[in-house]
Amino acid sequence: DIVMTQSPDSLAVSLGERATINCKSSQTILFTSNNKNYLAWYQQKAGQPPKLLIYWASTRESGIPDRFSGSGSGTDFTLTITNLQAEDVAVYYCQQYYSIPLTFGGGTKVEIK
Amino acid sequence: QVQLVQSGAEVKAPGASVKVSCKASGYRFTDFFIHWIRQAPGQRLEWMGRVNTEDGGSQVAPKFQGRVTLTKDTSISTAYLQISRLRSDDTAVYYCAKRDFQQNWGQGTLVFVSS
Repeated sequence: DIVMTQSPDSLAVSLGERATINCKSSQTILFTSNNKNYLAWYQQKAGQPPKLLIYWASTRESGIPDRFSGSGSGTDFTLTITNLQAEDVAVYYCQQYYSIPLTFGGGTKVEIK
Repeated sequence: QVQLVQSGAEVKAPGASVKVSCKASGYRFTDFFIHWIRQAPGQRLEWMGRVNTEDGGSQVAPKFQGRVTLTKDTSISTAYLQISRLRSDDTAVYYCAKRDFQQNWGQGTLVFVSS
């Protein structure tokens, strides 16, 4: 199984500032034949199902504000939230969908400082 | 718009079975796999498996093989998750989701296992 490791476990950021979340996979999730990284990011607010933010490591889902961005390739990935808003308080998960079983990171809790 | 609507909460005794449904609407059901993911209280998301909504084939995570069955009924655009021999540590919210990167999610179904 591919192990997904997120860091940090939690972070507190001031309103309007930047939050950076890292995700590392135990093996590459870059499929060379199509040059796509099989990496997604989700946001989960308390009591709600997760919501897709980013797929293919850097493609923003329709309707997601452009303050959310994804980057990285191979085994190292980053979710960046610029201009943090109060409604961004949530737990964020990365996930690889490169191979079965699909696996998630442990989550990063984002709070307001 | 795309919607995945799941069946209601269940309370089961250890050793029993449960079947959770997920009714899809707003898109062609056979275009995308349906995945099942669970989340135990305070825990990370855990992928359980996926069903091919076109031919009914399924892939189940090794941890759940032998206890989990994934099926679908195309005529009513509904996927099913069945778990047998329930244990207390199966207590969790179970989600269905569409597509290999989980683009849309059901609202979740709480399965509580307790004697």
